[in-house]
Amino acid sequence: QVQLQESGPGLVKPSETLSLTCTVSGGSVSSGSYYWSWIRQPPGKGLEWIGYIYYSGSTNYNPSLKSRVTISIDTSNNRLSLKLSSVTAADTAVYYCARDLVRGVIYAFDIWGQGTMVTVSS
Amino acid sequence: SSELTQDPAVSVALGQTVRITCQGDSLRNYYASWYQQKPGQAPVLVIYGKNDRPSGIPDRFSGSSSGNTASLTITGAQAEDEVDYYCSSRDSSGNHRVFGTGTKVTVL
Repeated sequence: QVQLQESGPGLVKPSETLSLTCTVSGGSVSSGSYYWSWIRQPPGKGLEWIGYIYYSGSTNYNPSLKSRVTISIDTSNNRLSLKLSSVTAADTAVYYCARDLVRGVIYAFDIWGQGTMVTVSS
Repeated sequence: SSELTQDPAVSVALGQTVRITCQGDSLRNYYASWYQQKPGQAPVLVIYGKNDRPSGIPDRFSGSSSGNTASLTITGAQAEDEVDYYCSSRDSSGNHRVFGTGTKVTVL
């Protein structure tokens, strides 16, 4: 079955760029049936959608993060990436990648990675 | 602030029925999806669309919608259902995804 695995540094300094990778196995990121999203969850808080990418490379970002976020896709290696610039302590969170099912008016994150904790601290 | 509002906490007696609600203008036009999150784990999709359950989700979980409110119902709540639940859908502009504020379920 399809599995997602996030990876990247667990500690990032303030003002630097957070970079994470999500590797997809058991399926293809080039499937036109799905988008691929990044979602985060600060400790003890709720979920926040960061943005998504389609296999074509088209993206859509949370307006509150848009100026700092870049999501890219590598179809040859079946993975997607997240870059968040100028990070502060408020960006400390567990970061998840998720498969984003879209069918008309139906939207669902049907498969999630296990998540990776990123702490912003000097 | 989130455009989807949930009650912070609800409680239910073991074996009884509990309804978790999610309110937002976008729900008039888009279905909500529902996620169960156990401590220290990634969320798991439990309901999506009109009332669809992914494979492996018990049939005690069901979904419904009316106007600007979507609901997740647990019929015959079990001790293991005592975790956090989130709804998700489009935002009011229809352009972005958004999550609800989350509901913690306590099984008494």
